[in-house]
Amino acid sequence: DQQVKQNSPSLSVQEGRISILNCDYTNSMFDYFLWYKKYPAEGPTFLISISSIKDKNEDGRFTVFLNKSAKHLSLHIVPSQPGDSAVYFCAASAGGRTYKYIFGTGTRLKVLA
Amino acid sequence: NAGVTQTPKFQVLKTGQSMTLQCAQDMNHEYMSWYRQDPGMGLRLIHYSVGAGITDQGEVPNGYNVSRSTTEDFPLRLLSAAPSQTSVYFCASTKGQVSEAFFGQGTRLTVV
Repeated sequence: DQQVKQNSPSLSVQEGRISILNCDYTNSMFDYFLWYKKYPAEGPTFLISISSIKDKNEDGRFTVFLNKSAKHLSLHIVPSQPGDSAVYFCAASAGGRTYKYIFGTGTRLKVLA
Repeated sequence: NAGVTQTPKFQVLKTGQSMTLQCAQDMNHEYMSWYRQDPGMGLRLIHYSVGAGITDQGEVPNGYNVSRSTTEDFPLRLLSAAPSQTSVYFCASTKGQVSEAFFGQGTRLTVV
């Protein structure tokens, strides 16, 4: 049973436009959510996080939105740049157990110049 | 500041061989974890540790052993390699209960 789902395997966006990546979860105990970016042959790198006590968190071009009632979070990248082309993973943890994140399957974003 | 360092970066094993994947972190993080990444499956947790001397199983622990004798090091041992263990392995460390995980560069393992 997949607790964290990213239903779009890939997404293409024109440079300068908004990229919206989506993630759904089923475990209502999750209280901390993160987004990671991964380039080929590299480890995942942390982008942005959000606690369940918030519904929005911004960091520069990146904004994460959390809808707890729908068990849904999204990552907005504005404006998108070619260097943003990568695989994006969402991850969740429960009860402070940040040693056991549950990851989604990833969305490959391609930003077209 | 090196962060999380994994060695080797690449490894080819024959079925039945054993080996140890090394992981070291220099951030004094209490929590460390091993994940594997397979196509279409995201990252799955193999084993984790909440401190020196304390380890536990994750989602896919079979065929792997871990130990944590120091805060810095968290090696992953493959006891008898199988083709199903062909994967990319990532080690991660986390500072605390509301913190992101920092990942190493990964080890690409092929078992033939």
